[in-house]
Amino acid sequence: DIQMTQSPSSLSASVGDRVTITCRASQSINNYLNWYQQKPGKAPKLLIYTASSLQSGVPSRFSGSGSGTDFTLTISSLQPEDFATYYCQQSYSTPRTFGQGTKVEIK
Amino acid sequence: QMQLQESGPGLVKPSETLSLTCTVSGGSISSYYWSWIRQPAGKGLEWIGRIYTSGSTNYNPSLKSRLTMSADTSKNQFSLKLNSVTAADTAMYHCARENCSSTSCQLGFDYWGQGTLVTVSS
Repeated sequence: DIQMTQSPSSLSASVGDRVTITCRASQSINNYLNWYQQKPGKAPKLLIYTASSLQSGVPSRFSGSGSGTDFTLTISSLQPEDFATYYCQQSYSTPRTFGQGTKVEIK
Repeated sequence: QMQLQESGPGLVKPSETLSLTCTVSGGSISSYYWSWIRQPAGKGLEWIGRIYTSGSTNYNPSLKSRLTMSADTSKNQFSLKLNSVTAADTAMYHCARENCSSTSCQLGFDYWGQGTLVTVSS
């Protein structure tokens, strides 16, 4: 199985801050890396697919980059509705695997 | 707009079989991979497995010996059966669609059901 490791596990930030979350794969996954946002009691929402493609309807303040084993999710200017938990997920091979999550909290 | 809805018992006894169905509306289940993903309370996401509408399946090796998935295109549904359950199988269970391009189905899970909580307890 491909292990996905996110950092940090949690962070505190203020509205308007630039936030970066990293995800590392245990082996190369090319660009088959997706990012999700999950709010309490809700299903995850796809934000970014294949490392850098913005899912339809997702605000442009979200962006993704990386290839191989190292990836980042960036929120350019954090908004109140962005406080949530973020997960990366590889779609290079089965079993599909997720990172452990990064909780973004209000400072 | 596509919608997915999970259904099934919310309480299952230890050693018995957990059975869930996902009903898809607003689109056909044909030509996509359909997955089950679970999340214990306060924890992360675990991919359980997937089925293509041809019947082809991929299972998480950690669950493979206990798992069966099926699809019914006439009802636009797919299902999960997990046998010999224990308390460790207590979780929110989501169904989800894995989006496809013309050449591969590796574009992330773009549609999700709201989830159904399954508790394993006597």
